[in-house]
Amino acid sequence: GDSVTQMEGPVTLSEEAFLTINCTYTATGYPSLFWYVQYPGEGLQLLLKATKADDKGSNKGFEATYRKETTSFHLEKGSVQVSDSAVYFCALTPWGSSNTGKLIFGQGTTLQVKP
Amino acid sequence: DSGVTQTPKHLITATGQRVTLRCSPRSGDLSVYWYQQSLDQGLQFLIQYYNGEERAKGNILERFSAQQFPDLHSELNLSSLELGDSALYFCASETGTLSNYGYTFGSGTRLTVV
Repeated sequence: GDSVTQMEGPVTLSEEAFLTINCTYTATGYPSLFWYVQYPGEGLQLLLKATKADDKGSNKGFEATYRKETTSFHLEKGSVQVSDSAVYFCALTPWGSSNTGKLIFGQGTTLQVKP
Repeated sequence: DSGVTQTPKHLITATGQRVTLRCSPRSGDLSVYWYQQSLDQGLQFLIQYYNGEERAKGNILERFSAQQFPDLHSELNLSSLELGDSALYFCASETGTLSNYGYTFGSGTRLTVV
């Protein structure tokens, strides 16, 4: 079945450092890809998305590009802030899911940014 | 406030008991999804309802059931509870049936089975 694999955390960075969180997927066809963020004590929030190959999703300085050839959707940010400390989830909606938008999530990667 | 309301926020109950978790979707959203988040299993899709009808089912145990009412709120019923059912249960909603535009998640119900 379809699956998502994320780099293990926690990831600890200093403020203004460059961030990369790796995400690869296994799926048939062309799934839609997402990054969600979960702040402590809160529900998940959509960070960005890409629905077809070579699409770049971006939001709040974060970006990720849908790479079909490497089945990857790595999350990047050029300069992280303390407020970016959270758990980041990569997810996909299986291709051909004509009547459901169920998401398959990776395990999540905890990011801690130190001042 | 995301617009998706889950109650209660915390629930502590004993093994063998039954509980009901409630979710009110964002205004105008017809789809409701339930997810379970645990340390060992991560985030797992349980079930989806669209406008009152079951649309998709995931790794939901037979001891668990759900429904969506005419006012579109949804309830997740968990029975014969076991210690392993302790988890954070999230509800999410969206306008249609596809997540191409992303869900809106509630803040979750933390269930502790003792």
